[in-house]
Amino acid sequence: AQSVSQHNHHVILSEAASLELGCNYSYGGTVNLFWYVQYPGQHLQLLLKYFSGDPLVKGIKGFEAEFIKSKFSFNLRKPSVQWSDTAEYFCAVNADDKIIFGKGTRLHILP
Amino acid sequence: GAGVSQSPSNKVTEKGKDVELRCDPISGHTALYWYRQSLGQGLEFLIYFQGNSAPDKSGLPSDRFSAERTGGSVSTLTIQRTQQEDSAVYLCASISIAGEKNHEQYFGPGTRLTVT
Repeated sequence: AQSVSQHNHHVILSEAASLELGCNYSYGGTVNLFWYVQYPGQHLQLLLKYFSGDPLVKGIKGFEAEFIKSKFSFNLRKPSVQWSDTAEYFCAVNADDKIIFGKGTRLHILP
Repeated sequence: GAGVSQSPSNKVTEKGKDVELRCDPISGHTALYWYRQSLGQGLEFLIYFQGNSAPDKSGLPSDRFSAERTGGSVSTLTIQRTQQEDSAVYLCASISIAGEKNHEQYFGPGTRLTVT
């Protein structure tokens, strides 16, 4: 069965630090990959997605993610975080039309 | 247009009672998902509806949970004989499968269920 692993459950960074959140999935076929963000008290919203083509995907608010097929990974990155990036981040995989989420990473940015 | 709506926003119920949670997806979206969000557990997939196909119920945690989608639109998640471990936020998402928005899920605000 497909699954998604997010290695970091809770990350604390200072403003301007660089960010990388890990995401690995298990599925042997073609996948679509997503990162969603949930700001405190708000709905889940899409940050970025990968369907095909360039494995380096740019999203909103300066986020990007790189799909590395050989490593079954889709790590999220941001070169310089801001206090407003404090949120919970979820990696998701669409495999056979079933969208599975990881357990999420709580990101706390210190001002 | 309107987004995904869910009702009620909060539900407190006594252990052993049945509850019904409602989801109104975005008009025209053919696929609808239910998830359960618990602290530290992320989003747990429950059930998936796509068009007229049989739903994928593989995520339902027990036979106390069931869901239906009437007319390809509104969906109801029913939990019978609620238990305290059912306390969570239940999220609904609908999907457009056409064009550049392919497979982007739009989430509702969720229903926070508390079983006392």
